[in-house]
Amino acid sequence: QVQLVQSGAEVKKPGSSVKVSCKASGDAFNSHSIIGWVRQAPGQGLEWMGGIIPFLRTTNHAQNFQGRVTMTTDESTYTAYMELSSLTSGDTAVYYCARGIGGPVAARLTLNWFDSWGQGTQVTVAS
Amino acid sequence: SHELTQPPSVSVSPGQTARITCSGDALTRQYANWYQQRPGQAPVLVIYKDQERPSGIPERFSGSSSGTTVTLTISGAQAEDEADYYCQSADSSATFEVFGGGTKLTVL
Repeated sequence: QVQLVQSGAEVKKPGSSVKVSCKASGDAFNSHSIIGWVRQAPGQGLEWMGGIIPFLRTTNHAQNFQGRVTMTTDESTYTAYMELSSLTSGDTAVYYCARGIGGPVAARLTLNWFDSWGQGTQVTVAS
Repeated sequence: SHELTQPPSVSVSPGQTARITCSGDALTRQYANWYQQRPGQAPVLVIYKDQERPSGIPERFSGSSSGTTVTLTISGAQAEDEADYYCQSADSSATFEVFGGGTKLTVL
């Protein structure tokens, strides 16, 4: 069973950056898995941000975050990171990491389902 | 805007069958997955690949697909099933993952 543990809540100023970590059990870093990032603004639905294939470090992200999001992994500690820059109040949300798998094929960045989720990290952007 | 369309809300009485739909052109080519989210909690996968149920999910949860619409069915809904439900698939070019807007299920 995969477990994902995220870093704690953050309060940031507009224009700054935030980096959220997601420490995974070993099964989340294998040839069939990706780490996806999803956010949820207050009272709103889920929004896919992007994903990364560990070891290959190949990434994909939603167009909404073009140029602002950076996803990385540290395979030595089984930790994934998501950094979001140029923050505005519209980025206030709970950010989730999730393990994505797509069946018997090797890891790919889309056509996955997310079977394990982190507990979420609250990011508040306020002046 | 969402490429996957869900009704904002569905209401059923305890013991009745709840059906939540998700529509999108890409669903003719790609599988859909369903998540349950209770207030203040992370989402939980309840159905994947249109109709597969992960271990630990009650048998009353099932999924089906027809054309551009997928349906999550909860047979004999219970009070504990009251939650938000989201469908998820990829966009029409399989470039990005997409979530539906979510459906609030009320069991009363």
